[in-house]
Amino acid sequence: EAGVVQSPRYKIIEKKQPVAFWCNPISGHNTLYWYRQNLGQGPELLIRYENEEAVDDSQLPKDRFSAERLKGVDSTLKIQPAELGDSAVYLCASSLLGHIRNTIYFGEGSWLTVV
Amino acid sequence: EDQVTQSPEALRLQEGESSSLNCSYTVSGLRGLFWYRQDPGKGPEFLFTLYSAGEEKEKERLKATLTKKESFLHITAPKPEDSATYLCAVQASSNTGKLIFGQGTTLQVKP
Repeated sequence: EAGVVQSPRYKIIEKKQPVAFWCNPISGHNTLYWYRQNLGQGPELLIRYENEEAVDDSQLPKDRFSAERLKGVDSTLKIQPAELGDSAVYLCASSLLGHIRNTIYFGEGSWLTVV
Repeated sequence: EDQVTQSPEALRLQEGESSSLNCSYTVSGLRGLFWYRQDPGKGPEFLFTLYSAGEEKEKERLKATLTKKESFLHITAPKPEDSATYLCAVQASSNTGKLIFGQGTTLQVKP
């Protein structure tokens, strides 16, 4: 079974430029997450979707970040414009909410460097 | 406020030297405690979930245990391939869709 797929894996952009990350969750998983992980820290939740609905976006910096999940499957996270402090790993994850275990599985991450 | 603290931040072991990693947590009703392994340049890889105090889970050289305030990840006779960052996270009963992570423990096992 394929895991969570993310692209691109690495991105280097200049500040003030836009960037977008794409995620394809595990087949059948109804919940999708975007986490951000700074160097030497644990991941922090940016946004959580249940199907197509964003049910927790309290930590998403809405002035420059946006996300969407079309048809309740794939998702895109966008940053516009990027700032130096946005350099981090952006992790997508998915789970089957409602399942007794509700294990959250992560993708390999999209590594962003803003110069 | 829900919080997770891991110690030590970094741990160096000789191959075969057993040790434990600590994860202390405060959460308003624990739904589950998760351990992940993260290799450099990779995403977190799921290891275990523990749901109640007294529960234990094992996988190869790793054993995770849980009390009401903390979890331990015991590593028995580690090998160099066990070198990685180990992340602990909690899921609160009030918000089962969210994991709150600690900062991780980076383990290096030397041959």
